[in-house]
Amino acid sequence: NAGVTQTPKFRVLKTGQSMTLLCAQDMNHEYMYWYRQDPGMGLRLIHYSVGEGTTAKGEVPDGYNVSRLKKQNFLLGLESAAPSQTSVYFCASSLRGYEQYFGPGTRLTVT
Amino acid sequence: AQSVTQLGSHVSVSEGALVLLRCNYSSSVPPYLFWYVQYPNQGLQLLLKYTSAATLVKGINGFEAEFKKSETSFHLTKPSAHMSDAAEYFCAVSDLGFGNEKLTFGTGTRLTIIP
Repeated sequence: NAGVTQTPKFRVLKTGQSMTLLCAQDMNHEYMYWYRQDPGMGLRLIHYSVGEGTTAKGEVPDGYNVSRLKKQNFLLGLESAAPSQTSVYFCASSLRGYEQYFGPGTRLTVT
Repeated sequence: AQSVTQLGSHVSVSEGALVLLRCNYSSSVPPYLFWYVQYPNQGLQLLLKYTSAATLVKGINGFEAEFKKSETSFHLTKPSAHMSDAAEYFCAVSDLGFGNEKLTFGTGTRLTIIP
């Protein structure tokens, strides 16, 4: 079991560029989440999904889009990156929505 | 809306001393409560969880936490700190009763162990 994996691990973007972060889980979990972690702010929920084909907004959704076309994958997109989106991004999944399993993170820098 | 407050963004203890990390929650309904640990350059790992069974919850690596409804607290303790406990610790809360599949995290406490 690989658990939750994230691709890529590191990325540097220029302002205005776009990119997609991929999260994959092999635990057959229904729920998946995208968070961002910034110093002194803990983890903040960007978007989440309670099942294939469904997505919902979290606490800080602006500037991000997501898709859950397959149960095992949850994609996070940045259409036009801004320096304020420099952060570490974590994906998580859960079988029942409470105990979450986290990926190793993607460190994104926007210059 | 539910929330958690972690008192102390940085805590330092000597090796072998008691570890106490504080978490207070705010929730309109009985919550589920969690402690997660994050080692440098890694994702979060679940330490322990409270889901309305026993109020004293034991987790991995010798940690435990006690749910105190009267104090709205869920403090994390370990009797004797080890160098390997150096990490960042996050308290999180999830409400019951709303079909709520989301966790709300505290801002974290960085634990430093002094040799």
